[in-house]
Amino acid sequence: KNQVEQSPQSLIILEGKNCTLQCNYTVSPFSNLRWYKQDTGRGPVSLTIMTFSENTKSNGRYTATLDADTKQSSLHITASQLSDSASYICVVSGTTSGTYKYIFGTGTRLKVLA
Amino acid sequence: DAGVIQSPRHEVTEMGQEVTLRCKPISGHDYLFWYRQTMMRGLELLIYFNNNVPIDDSGMPEDRFSAKMPNASFSTLKIQPSEPRDSAVYFCASSLGLAGGLNFGPGTRLTVL
Repeated sequence: KNQVEQSPQSLIILEGKNCTLQCNYTVSPFSNLRWYKQDTGRGPVSLTIMTFSENTKSNGRYTATLDADTKQSSLHITASQLSDSASYICVVSGTTSGTYKYIFGTGTRLKVLA
Repeated sequence: DAGVIQSPRHEVTEMGQEVTLRCKPISGHDYLFWYRQTMMRGLELLIYFNNNVPIDDSGMPEDRFSAKMPNASFSTLKIQPSEPRDSAVYFCASSLGLAGGLNFGPGTRLTVL
């Protein structure tokens, strides 16, 4: 069964600190992996996208890594800000039974405190 | 680009009433998706369209749910009759190509009393 699991479920950190969110997946075959940020009351917004051949992708203070061999990805947030408080969702895409699908993780809820 | 537009943003209704949610995708996008998000189950795909044609509606929970896309710039998701367990945030998303990445709208928060 194609699954995407994220950890931790929730995380609280102090402003200025770094943090790393994890995503493990079993989706096969694999096409790409995206990290989305969802602010409270809004729709998810794409942060990064990585294909099979990419190991690292950065977007400002956000850096995503991908290990396609172990089927793991991480999202590292550097020098966190209050505005980073949101849910972060890992989405893995692949073709299953001839149909292209987006498989969503349940997300990590991040709270950054002043 | 205005992004994906959804209306209403909030809907409160009583059990048994009909609810219609609306979506305008990004111009030029050929795929449109309807998702439902709850705390318990996260984001779930309900149905998606390609060039206005429904492709996969296996996620539609019951016959009470129906979706239409009469043209490239408009789609509706209808629930009739609504039930309290339908309370959730409903997102519409569009993409250019199936692998183009999802562009989500702001969502409609539905509360069924």
